[in-house]
Amino acid sequence: RKEVEQDPGPFNVPEGATVAFNCTYSNSASQSFFWYRQDCRKEPKLLMSVYSSGNEDGRFTAQLNRASQYISLLIRDSKLSDSATYLCVVNWNNYGQNFVFGPGTRLSVLP
Amino acid sequence: DVKVTQSSRYLVKRTGEKVFLECVQDMDHENMFWYRQDPGLGLRLIYFSYDVKMKEKGDIPEGYSVSREKKERFSLILESASTNQTSMYLCASSPRQGNTDTQYFGPGTRLTVL
Repeated sequence: RKEVEQDPGPFNVPEGATVAFNCTYSNSASQSFFWYRQDCRKEPKLLMSVYSSGNEDGRFTAQLNRASQYISLLIRDSKLSDSATYLCVVNWNNYGQNFVFGPGTRLSVLP
Repeated sequence: DVKVTQSSRYLVKRTGEKVFLECVQDMDHENMFWYRQDPGLGLRLIYFSYDVKMKEKGDIPEGYSVSREKKERFSLILESASTNQTSMYLCASSPRQGNTDTQYFGPGTRLTVL
């Protein structure tokens, strides 16, 4: 079983749509959680950290359910510029050393 | 802003050549990482280092070695390049200060082995 799993995608949505990505992780000792964005042929960049209480950054909302070992990302009012691959990342080490990346979900926002 | 730089964006080498990929970070981070990324396989950890001269194998260390002589620099070495090492190589760094911070990536090196 893979340590971090994500919706396979691709997701093709019209501009203005709301889209949700899901991620599950297998290591119950996981400490911290993140969503990264990766544009085509570019490096991954941090989109947002995910906190237990849930957090929001503009059109983006992240949720964490530790009991179910589940993370989600919601994007409201999708823009063309949101087209990218979204990576779920889990860290189960207190020293910033054990990051496990999901395979990513590709999003295409269509005009 | 954290800056992670890699020596080359694109590299073409021949089978059997020794290849050096260099990575430098300017944020005094303790941890540095080398990944490769292939379509359908995601990011896979090759090696990481948590201090100068310290290294740990990741998930796919075979065919690779690393060197960390200075805190800011982490090198990946392909002793004898093979065609199955054609890939995107990404370097990253992170601080060792609890679990709240994350990794910062360099722009990547796209290596082609002919």
